[in-house]
Amino acid sequence: QSALTQPASVSGSPGQSVTISCTGTSSDVGGHNLVAWYQQHPGKAPNLLIYEVSNRPSGVSNRFSGSKSGNTASLTISGLQAEDEADYYCGSHSTSSTPHMLFGGGTKLTVL
Amino acid sequence: QLQLLESGPGLVKPSETLSLTCTVSGGSISSSSYHWGWLRQPPGKGLEWIGSIYYSGTTYYNPSLKSRVTISVDTSKNQFSLRVSSVTAADTAVYYCARELSSSCHTWGQGTLVTVSS
Repeated sequence: QSALTQPASVSGSPGQSVTISCTGTSSDVGGHNLVAWYQQHPGKAPNLLIYEVSNRPSGVSNRFSGSKSGNTASLTISGLQAEDEADYYCGSHSTSSTPHMLFGGGTKLTVL
Repeated sequence: QLQLLESGPGLVKPSETLSLTCTVSGGSISSSSYHWGWLRQPPGKGLEWIGSIYYSGTTYYNPSLKSRVTISVDTSKNQFSLRVSSVTAADTAVYYCARELSSSCHTWGQGTLVTVSS
């Protein structure tokens, strides 16, 4: 099955906001509200930022927010900080074939 | 605080079976709310979900890997395991175990690198 589509890279200056998109189909992103976002620093395990489209786990900064429109989900990072430089992955429940989890290819965020 | 730790061989020969175990501490694997999953990340590439298991033994697999993957659970040891058969170089990756809720991975292990090579 095809991965979800994310831009390969985005960039922004400290203090600015950036948005990362994640495009799927009606069988995954567009079909339900089970979309998640993860941050991964080099050499580290991913860390959950957003689940169920827009919910933040305890301890995650409110500078991270999620939304969805149709088959596209988005992660917005406001007030960019140097420590936000990392890879970001979206994930979604998929009902294409048997139920499973699908990921995007990842987006490298560079803080200029 | 929940912790997950992957263990198993770091080197597997082509055509053989990769076997990993995830030990859960600080919480019970028999919790009714969660699934327990395996994911992997080839060097320099993105994440791939392999599959997950409920404490009762119900499993869900990535359709692209289903024919080669088996996930099992041992509630008495608070562990769950992964087996991938007939491995090739394409199975070389960092393998992660995770606790899943609402199709999202809330807690991750540190990951373990498995290299497929003769």
